[in-house]
Amino acid sequence: EDQVTQSPEALRLQEGESSSLNCSYTVSGLRGLFWYRQDPGKGPEFLFTLYSAGEEKEKERLKATLTKKESFLHITAPKPEDSATYLCAVQRETSGSRLTFGEGTQLTVNP
Amino acid sequence: GAVVSQHPSRVICKSGTSVKIECRSLDFQATTMFWYRQFPKQSLMLMATSNEGSKATYEQGVEKDKFLINHASLTLSTLTVTSAHPEDSSFYICSARATGRRGSSPLHFGNGTRLTVT
Repeated sequence: EDQVTQSPEALRLQEGESSSLNCSYTVSGLRGLFWYRQDPGKGPEFLFTLYSAGEEKEKERLKATLTKKESFLHITAPKPEDSATYLCAVQRETSGSRLTFGEGTQLTVNP
Repeated sequence: GAVVSQHPSRVICKSGTSVKIECRSLDFQATTMFWYRQFPKQSLMLMATSNEGSKATYEQGVEKDKFLINHASLTLSTLTVTSAHPEDSSFYICSARATGRRGSSPLHFGNGTRLTVT
């Protein structure tokens, strides 16, 4: 069974204080690992897809990296508008488009 | 591009009534759509896979007679919660991937429907 564990559950940062979120996964035959951002009362918003160990992707203050066991979402000099829940999900090669989600990390960036 | 519209965003209904939630892909066609359920401070749990022109595939433990799914066109899937009870109160979210895109293309999500059953 696929498993996705995210840590920490919640993270409070001061504006400008860089940090990383972790996503550990166990999946038989990874097709892709996805990062989403979810604001309260909204659906998840797609951020990144990573396909293989060693891959990195960046978007503004966010950078996602992938190893064979985990993925990190690095946030550099965060701003209050980066406050959200960040979700990690994995897709198995044999599962079609189905995603298995982690519990998420709730990020709060204080001004 | 890749916008998924979900309606209504909020609905309150009385116990025993039925509620229909619509999920539309606005600028692409979606052979397959997915319905998720999310409880407060928990992750998304897949309920069912909606296939255009055929029966939906339900996850283990999800009652297909309670959560009716219809995918009548390549741009519309509906979820009907029948005979709703307070324990059905939750946040329901649909997602879709553009038809023809490779399997690892990201799913795009609607903005969810907050269902409250009184």
